[in-house]
Amino acid sequence: AQTVTQSQPEMSVQEAETVTLSCTYDTSENNYYLFWYKQPPSRQMILVIRQEAYKQQNATENRFSVNFQKAAKSFSLKISDSQLGDTAMYFCAFMNVRSGNQFYFGTGTSLTVIP
Amino acid sequence: KAGVTQTPRYLIKTRGQQVTLSCSPISGHRSVSWYQQTPGQGLQFLFEYFSETQRNKGNFPGRFSGRQFSNSRSEMNVSTLELGDSALYLCASRLARTPSTDTQYFGPGTRLTVL
Repeated sequence: AQTVTQSQPEMSVQEAETVTLSCTYDTSENNYYLFWYKQPPSRQMILVIRQEAYKQQNATENRFSVNFQKAAKSFSLKISDSQLGDTAMYFCAFMNVRSGNQFYFGTGTSLTVIP
Repeated sequence: KAGVTQTPRYLIKTRGQQVTLSCSPISGHRSVSWYQQTPGQGLQFLFEYFSETQRNKGNFPGRFSGRQFSNSRSEMNVSTLELGDSALYLCASRLARTPSTDTQYFGPGTRLTVL
């Protein structure tokens, strides 16, 4: 079974600073994808970034980037130049290709950006 | 393209009643998944439907059931409601054609309160 662990239930960062959210996962699979989703307060969950396990290059999307360490089964999210709109719950997710692309989510990290 | 829609957005029920939630996926998406979100528990996977068939199922009692129609719209039913069923129920759809393009897109959720 796949598990996704987010060990930081809550984090805060000063506006314009950089913050890193941690995620580890446990799997024996080789073919999978990893995602970070963002859920702003009382708003819809949206995709932030995705990473393909067979790609060594870390994915980036504007101010969001990941540090993917496949051997360590670690997938952290770095947010640069934090903005107030980044305040949200962030979920790490794992997609297992072999089980019909089933998704597994972590318990989330609540990030607060302080002005 | 319209996003994932869920109805109703809010529901208040009493213990013992039953409830039906509805989800309309993004046009062309063939897979619909349901999740239960509660504080501290993150997203708990309920089930996934693909082409009107249940493809994956989480660890929930049989009181939780679902179905998918030929137009990919999905419904989730919870019978004999319990206080612990109070949660945000999220629906997510995806194309489900190839893993490299597979990403879940979430609806706004239905907030269910059981009194």
